Amino acid sequence: ETGVTQSPTHLIKTRGQQVTLRCSSQSGHNTVSWYQQALGQGPQFIFQYYREEENGRGNFPPRFSGLQFPNYSSELNVNALELDDSALYLCASSPGQKGETQYFGPGTRLLVL
Amino acid sequence: DAKTTQPTSMDCAEGRAANLPCNHSTISGNEYVYWYRQIHSQGPQYIIHGLKNNETNEMASLIITEDRKSSTLILPHATLRDTAVYYCIVRSQGTGGFKTIFGAGTRLFVKA
Repeated sequence: ETGVTQSPTHLIKTRGQQVTLRCSSQSGHNTVSWYQQALGQGPQFIFQYYREEENGRGNFPPRFSGLQFPNYSSELNVNALELDDSALYLCASSPGQKGETQYFGPGTRLLVL
Repeated sequence: DAKTTQPTSMDCAEGRAANLPCNHSTISGNEYVYWYRQIHSQGPQYIIHGLKNNETNEMASLIITEDRKSSTLILPHATLRDTAVYYCIVRSQGTGGFKTIFGAGTRLFVKA
């Protein structure tokens, strides 16, 4: 157990809809990162937040957006869902700005129909 | 972005040492090497990290070559529960900020 929690655990949406996924960081951690993991592949880095500011982003389109709150919890928002967005979405928290050692949550499995 | 290369899969007998190699030939001087593992579809689990020197903790040992272009994760006495996908990662910092690039990882099968 890493102390990182994510909700919901599973979600089904239809193409074109919007989704919000939530993450609660481990106590004392002020950096959060989000990843997308398609079946059979490694996690793909979406973005990282440090103290409510985005400080790193992977190769994902703008319809993937995020927020980090003053208590360091976080949301991942995906607009205009596509079938290829079906994946496991992982959140990871870490204690420093650079986000080196990351502690992952169990993930949210999203299915887009 | 620094990238890593790992074998797709490896087998290991239970009780024997598992040695998982990783190539990171484009690593920069201040970039750390991290290892994580993922069991089934759980979130990845941190194992160990290092910069230049060899490192050891309760889970594993990390051997980094002197030129830092490759490393080896060693599980000294593999058990069936060590069957997982192991990821070698080099974090980078560029114009776009911080990034963590996972590769496809090595699928380790520990056999009885």
